[in-house]
Amino acid sequence: GDSVTQMEGPVTLSEEAFLTINCTYTATGYPSLFWYVQYPGEGLQLLLKATKADDKGSNKGFEATYRKETTSFHLEKGSVQVSDSAVYFCALRENRDDKIIFGKGTRLHILP
Amino acid sequence: DAGVIQSPRHEVTEMGQEVTLRCKLISGHNSLFWYRQTMMRGLELLIYFNNNVPIDDSGMPEDRFSAKMPNASFSTLKIQPSEPRDSAVYFCASSFAGPLGNIQYFGAGTRLSVL
Repeated sequence: GDSVTQMEGPVTLSEEAFLTINCTYTATGYPSLFWYVQYPGEGLQLLLKATKADDKGSNKGFEATYRKETTSFHLEKGSVQVSDSAVYFCALRENRDDKIIFGKGTRLHILP
Repeated sequence: DAGVIQSPRHEVTEMGQEVTLRCKLISGHNSLFWYRQTMMRGLELLIYFNNNVPIDDSGMPEDRFSAKMPNASFSTLKIQPSEPRDSAVYFCASSFAGPLGNIQYFGAGTRLSVL
């Protein structure tokens, strides 16, 4: 079945460091891909998405490119801030379905 | 719009008691998802509805759990009887199921503690 695998956390970085959180997926069709973020005490919220191969999603300085050849959707940010500390979830949705398959989440800590 | 509204935010109960969690969808959304989040198991999809009809309940742990949508804007998740292993944060999310939709909007969650 469909699945999402993302790097284990926690990831700890200093402020202004470069961030990469790896995500790969397995799907039978051509899914839409998402990154969701969960701040402490809150529900998940959409960070960015891409709906077809080579699309780049971006928001709040974060970017991810839909790579069909490597089945990947890695999240990157050039300079992280303390306020980026959260749990990040990579996810996919097959176009034939309504439900979203989430990865296990990666906890990110940014030190001032 | 106020977003997805869940109540209560926190629930503490004793083993064996009935627990009812509530969720109000975003106006105009037609899909509703219930999730459970724990440190051990991460985020698990319990059940989802489309146009008030349960589509996939394969994630519901056992018969103690039940979910309903009495109308298009409201859902409940009931646990009867509750057990300590049910302690978790329960989220609901809603979306508009359509070709340009399917972004899920989450509520703030209900933190359930079963003693």
